[in-house]
Amino acid sequence: EIVLTQSPGTLSLSPGERATLSCRASQSVSSSYLAWYKQKPGQPPRLIIYGASSRATGIPDRFSGSGSGTDFTLTISRLEPEDSAVYYCQQYGYSPPYTFGQGTKLEIK
Amino acid sequence: QLQVQESGPGLVKPSETLSLTCTVSGGSISGSSYYWGWVRQPPGKGLEWIGSIYYTGSTSYNPSLKSRVTISVDTSKNQFSLKLRSVTAADTAVYYCAPSSPAFDFWGQGTLVTVSS
Repeated sequence: EIVLTQSPGTLSLSPGERATLSCRASQSVSSSYLAWYKQKPGQPPRLIIYGASSRATGIPDRFSGSGSGTDFTLTISRLEPEDSAVYYCQQYGYSPPYTFGQGTKLEIK
Repeated sequence: QLQVQESGPGLVKPSETLSLTCTVSGGSISGSSYYWGWVRQPPGKGLEWIGSIYYTGSTSYNPSLKSRVTISVDTSKNQFSLKLRSVTAADTAVYYCAPSSPAFDFWGQGTLVTVSS
């Protein structure tokens, strides 16, 4: 099973700043089958990045994903108050289980 | 536009079977290339993939739950279902259904299932 470790656990930034969220895998993730989701309280997760770097439909270009192998990053530039949420990474490689990271809570001050 | 909605009992007794159904609307389960999955989230905790099914009936399960889980599909009703046997309090969670291609493109609103006597 591939274990995903996200850091930091909590990130507190101001509007207009840049957020950098990390997701490290215990072994290489196949063909960059790495996704990022955003979840606000009381809501289901929403896909924001798939294939490590492709933005999902309707996601603004302030959100970008990068990385390969075992190290992946979600960058959110020009933070806005509505970016406040918990962000999860997920790997969906060739072999299940398709695991999630434990999440990074992003607070906008 | 494709949508999914979970339904089922919100309270299940320990040792019994949790049964949920996901109804797909706006499109056909068998007319798409999606895998149809279940993910759960205990209160205040993270996400756990339970398993997925293709419209042909091909399944994959999380090994940690495999001995207790069955996912099935009913293409005539445009639904897929989850059964989790021998539940305990640790199975209390919000259960989501979501199509994957293979990332989970969108999610149902989720349904809270509490395991308690």
